[in-house]
Amino acid sequence: GQNIDQPTEMTATEGAIVQINCTYQTSGFNGLFWYQQHAGEAPTFLSYNVLDGLEEKGRFSSFLSRSKGYSYLLLKELQMKDSASYLCAAMDSNYQLIWGAGTKLIIKP
Amino acid sequence: DGGITQSPKYLFRKEGQNVTLSCEQNLNHDAMYWYRQDPGQGLRLIYYSQIVNDFQKGDIAEGYSVSREKKESFPLTVTSAQKNPTAFYLCARSIGDRSEAFFGQGTRLTVV
Repeated sequence: GQNIDQPTEMTATEGAIVQINCTYQTSGFNGLFWYQQHAGEAPTFLSYNVLDGLEEKGRFSSFLSRSKGYSYLLLKELQMKDSASYLCAAMDSNYQLIWGAGTKLIIKP
Repeated sequence: DGGITQSPKYLFRKEGQNVTLSCEQNLNHDAMYWYRQDPGQGLRLIYYSQIVNDFQKGDIAEGYSVSREKKESFPLTVTSAQKNPTAFYLCARSIGDRSEAFFGQGTRLTVV
């Protein structure tokens, strides 16, 4: 079957760095997406990886290893506004997104 | 709003009533999607449409219906056959394959 796993909750300190991991198993693979979702709001797109390696975009970076079925989202210089859920989604061979349950990130001062 | 508008943001209905959630996009994109989000679970696909007058069932289509009479509109009807309709419903659009999805603000439906 198809499956996405990510931690349920993580806690980090303002100004620090946090890494949110995601492992996936899909029928075929057409890329890995990360989204940010604040409580009560819709998800917003953060990043897309289809090739192995690290993609950096400001304070956020995303890494992909296709051979390991593994991705992570790295958030640097954490700010209180980064408190949100982070959703990992893998695109299968039919171009459909398989979603993880999300990781709730709590930032403490 | 990312070119996609959902309304209303909050909706209350009595059990046994059908209810229709609106989704409109103004960017002329072909692909539109409806997802359901429940606490502690990933988004689950209800229906999707890639062209006008055509749509496909997702993983949890039972108890829902959609139409795609116009490119810009993709309404979702939650019927009385849906056993557990209280949830957060998200409509999304995308340019096409391998492109990111852009979501509307969501509709939180509560059935009492």
